[in-house]
Amino acid sequence: GNSVTQMEGPVTLSEEAFLTINCTYTATGYPSLFWYVQYPGEGLQLLLKATKADDKGSNKGFEATYRKETTSFHLEKGSVQVSDSAVYFCALRVTDKLIFGTGTRLQVFP
Amino acid sequence: NAGVTQTPKFQVLKTGQSMTLQCAQDMNHNSMYWYRQDPGMGLRLIYYSASEGTTDKGEVPNGYNVSRLNKREFSLRLESAAPSQTSVYFCASSGGDRTGFFGQGTRLTVV
Repeated sequence: GNSVTQMEGPVTLSEEAFLTINCTYTATGYPSLFWYVQYPGEGLQLLLKATKADDKGSNKGFEATYRKETTSFHLEKGSVQVSDSAVYFCALRVTDKLIFGTGTRLQVFP
Repeated sequence: NAGVTQTPKFQVLKTGQSMTLQCAQDMNHNSMYWYRQDPGMGLRLIYYSASEGTTDKGEVPNGYNVSRLNKREFSLRLESAAPSQTSVYFCASSGGDRTGFFGQGTRLTVV
């Protein structure tokens, strides 16, 4: 079946540290891959996406590369800010289903 | 730009009561979804609708029904609420580029 596995959190970092949140997937066919962010009390917002192998999605300093050979879509940011504190969800869409991982909470301290 | 609108935002039900969560999108998307979000379990798909007139079960459909009223609206009904259905419910829609757009959520408590 189709599924997404994310690293468990919380991830706790100091401001300006480097961030990696791991995401791997299992899918039949050729999925599109997404990272969503959820701030407290809000819905999910699209952060970035990639639609085919070797594509790199980027937004607000975050990046993720669609790696078909390792079935991964790891999220990275070179220098995190306190305002990046949120829950991050990796997701895939294949056919009509949009499937999410369990989410990773990021806490950034000054 | 309204995007995806869910109502209500908060609701408290007694066990056994029924209610309908409403969702509407104004982006002319074909696909719509209902998820529930529980601590430590991420978002789990309850039902989805790939197009007007079709609905399919997701990962956790038991205890829920849905109606795709038209292209804009996709409602979720709890016929007899149970405490296990206490959760935050999100509606989402998706178009040709496969990106999902989410509503602000409905926080439901069943006592």
